[in-house]
Amino acid sequence: QAVVTQEPSLTVSPGGTVTLTCGSSTGAVTRSLYPYWFQQKPGQAPRALIYDTTNKHSWTPARFSGSLLGGKAALTLSGAQPEDEADYYCLLSFGHFWVFGGGTRLTVL
Amino acid sequence: EVQVVESGGGLVQPGGSLRLSCGVSGSTVSTIHMAWLRQAPGGGPEWVSVIYNDGNTFYGDSVRGRFTISRDNSKNTVHLQMNSLRDEDTAVYYCATFYAGSYWGQGTLVTVSS
Repeated sequence: QAVVTQEPSLTVSPGGTVTLTCGSSTGAVTRSLYPYWFQQKPGQAPRALIYDTTNKHSWTPARFSGSLLGGKAALTLSGAQPEDEADYYCLLSFGHFWVFGGGTRLTVL
Repeated sequence: EVQVVESGGGLVQPGGSLRLSCGVSGSTVSTIHMAWLRQAPGGGPEWVSVIYNDGNTFYGDSVRGRFTISRDNSKNTVHLQMNSLRDEDTAVYYCATFYAGSYWGQGTLVTVSS
């Protein structure tokens, strides 16, 4: 099965911009893997921010955006806020199996 | 708005069985993809199983042959039958929709311990 890789940790300054990426051991991540991005804060269930590469839920702040970048799925946060400090997980669907990335702990400092 | 509510978690001995249920409102389970995911203490989420809207089902390597996902269209509910439970199955189990977005429940805790 595939291994999905994410940066273990990233730090961004308040108001700054950061990009989290999601790669696959099988090759380039494409729209056909329906990339999802989830945000999880302590004690809470994961919550979807981005689905199918670029689509946002109604609750997704406008400062978050999804894309494909250099063969990976990417989540860009523009104008980071203290409340964005959280763990972020990507999920790729390979049809017969799905795989989460190991997660990125984002610190806003 | 779609809402998802899991139930059925609890304490079970190794080798035992448990059946989780997932009620959905605001969407119809037969028309969307439904998945079970779990998260062990201190770990990230792990995909467990999916039932696609066409009825096809798939499982993660760690549960295949022991867990069975099913849906009851009349009750708009999805179930996860878990047999031959192991210590490493201890986790919070989440049910989630995956179709034009993803909606998750708050999870139900399954503890496998003697």
